[in-house]
Amino acid sequence: GEDVEQSLFLSVREGDSSVINCTYTDSSSTYLYWYKQEPGAGLQLLTYIFSNMDMKQDQRLTVLLNKKDKHLSLRIADTQTGDSAIYFCAEGANSNSGYALNFGKGTSLLVTP
Amino acid sequence: ETGVTQTPRHLVMGMTNKKSLKCEQHLGHNAMYWYKQSAKKPLELMFVYSLEERVENNSVPSRFSPECPNSSHLFLHLHTLQPEDSALYLCASSRASDTQYFGPGTRLTVL
Repeated sequence: GEDVEQSLFLSVREGDSSVINCTYTDSSSTYLYWYKQEPGAGLQLLTYIFSNMDMKQDQRLTVLLNKKDKHLSLRIADTQTGDSAIYFCAEGANSNSGYALNFGKGTSLLVTP
Repeated sequence: ETGVTQTPRHLVMGMTNKKSLKCEQHLGHNAMYWYKQSAKKPLELMFVYSLEERVENNSVPSRFSPECPNSSHLFLHLHTLQPEDSALYLCASSRASDTQYFGPGTRLTVL
C-alpha cells in the first residue's frame, strides 16, 4: 500500500514540548492512531482520534488532525526522559479484507536532560 | 500490560527447525493479527483472523503458517525459515474494527 510518512528522528530537552508529525494516505480512514514502542517491547496504544474530529487532548498528549491535508500530529507537553521511545502513526480503515492498520516507519524521540 | 501475551519472548532457530509462536488475549476480542517488524521498515501485516476465520494473508510465504483454534489464541508455525525472516513478530487483537492492542512481541533470530 502507499506510505504513511513520518520524520525518523526528533530530539528535545526535558521539559520542552515535542511535536511529532505524520502524513497519511487514505482519506476514508475512520480512525488514526498513535502508538509508542519502548526498546524490547511491543506497541502501546497512546491515543487515537476519530476522523470527524480535529483535536483530542488527553493529559500531556494533544492530537491534531487536518483532514484536508491528511496531516496528523502528536504533541507531548513537558516531555520527560521516560518519553524517549519510537512513536508510530497508523491509519485504520475498512477494506474488502476487513479492518487493517497501515503504519508509518516510526519517529525515534530522544529526550535529553 | 495490554491483555495480550506472547511466548516465547525470544527465539533463536536454525533454518531447518520447526517452531511455533503463541499469542493469547484476555480482552474478549474477536479478531487477532500477526505483524512483522523489521529494522527500518514499517510494520507489515501478515495475517488477520476474524471470528477464527482467516481474512487476510498478504502474500506471506508458506513457511509461515497461522492457526487460530479459538478467539483467544493465535499461533504462528515456522518451518524452514530464512535469515531474512529474523524480526520482531507482534500479535494484536481487537473487537471487530475497533482499536488494536499489541502484545510484547517475539524477537526471532534465524541462523
